[in-house]
Amino acid sequence: DTAVSQTPKYLVTQMGNDKSIKCEQNLGHDTMYWYKQDSKKFLKIMFSYNNKELIINETVPNRFSPKSPDKAHLNLHINSLELGDSAVYFCASSQLFRGGGTDTQYFGPGTRLTVL
Amino acid sequence: QQQVKQSPQSLIVQKGGISIINCAYENTAFDYFPWYQQFPGKGPALLIAIRPDVSEKKEGRFTISFNKSAKQFSLHIMDSQPGDSATYFCAASETSGSRLTFGEGTQLTVNP
Repeated sequence: DTAVSQTPKYLVTQMGNDKSIKCEQNLGHDTMYWYKQDSKKFLKIMFSYNNKELIINETVPNRFSPKSPDKAHLNLHINSLELGDSAVYFCASSQLFRGGGTDTQYFGPGTRLTVL
Repeated sequence: QQQVKQSPQSLIVQKGGISIINCAYENTAFDYFPWYQQFPGKGPALLIAIRPDVSEKKEGRFTISFNKSAKQFSLHIMDSQPGDSATYFCAASETSGSRLTFGEGTQLTVNP
C-alpha cells in the first residue's frame, strides 16, 4: 500500500505551459505539504495545508497554486512554466498534534519536472 | 537565510567505518530535530529524530548527539554499510508549527 502517492512521476513540458501535479495520502493525516528539491538537492517547503486550510505559504511565485479538495489530496498547479521551475517536487503528509507540533512527515516518491 | 547548516556536503567512508554528519541551527525555538535519508529516485524518509530534553538517542547503528548550548546536533552511523549510501538531511522545527527547515544535505558513499 502506497502511503503518499504522486502523479505523474516525470513531467516534461515546454516553457509557458500550465501543468498540474497530484498528490494523495492514505494515512489519515490532516496536514499535507509541497516541497521543491533543486538540482543541488536542497529541500525547501512551498506550501502546507491542514484540513484543507492553507497554513504555510512560503515566498513562492503566484504562478504556483495549491489546491486541496479534501484532506487526503493536495494538488499543485503551475502556470506559465519557466526554465527555473525544473526540479523535483515532493508531496508529504503528517499529523498535527493537538497540543502543537507535528508527527513524522511522510514523503511521496517525487515528481521530476523538466521545463524545456 | 539558512537556518540549519549541514556539513560536510559529501562524505566517503569505508565499510565498517563511522560516518559523522554535523548540523548547526540558529533558531532557539526549534525543538524537534529529525534526520531524513533519501535514496536516488525516492522521497526522503525519516531515519531518527530527537527532542532537546535528551542529549543522545540511539536506534541500531544510528545515533543522534545533541548539544543544546552549542545549538548543534550530529548523526553518527556506526559500522557503515554500502547500503547506507544515500543523501542525509538534518532538519528542525518548532513545536508550535509544522514547518520543517532542512539542512543542505550530505551525500554519503560507503565503499565496500
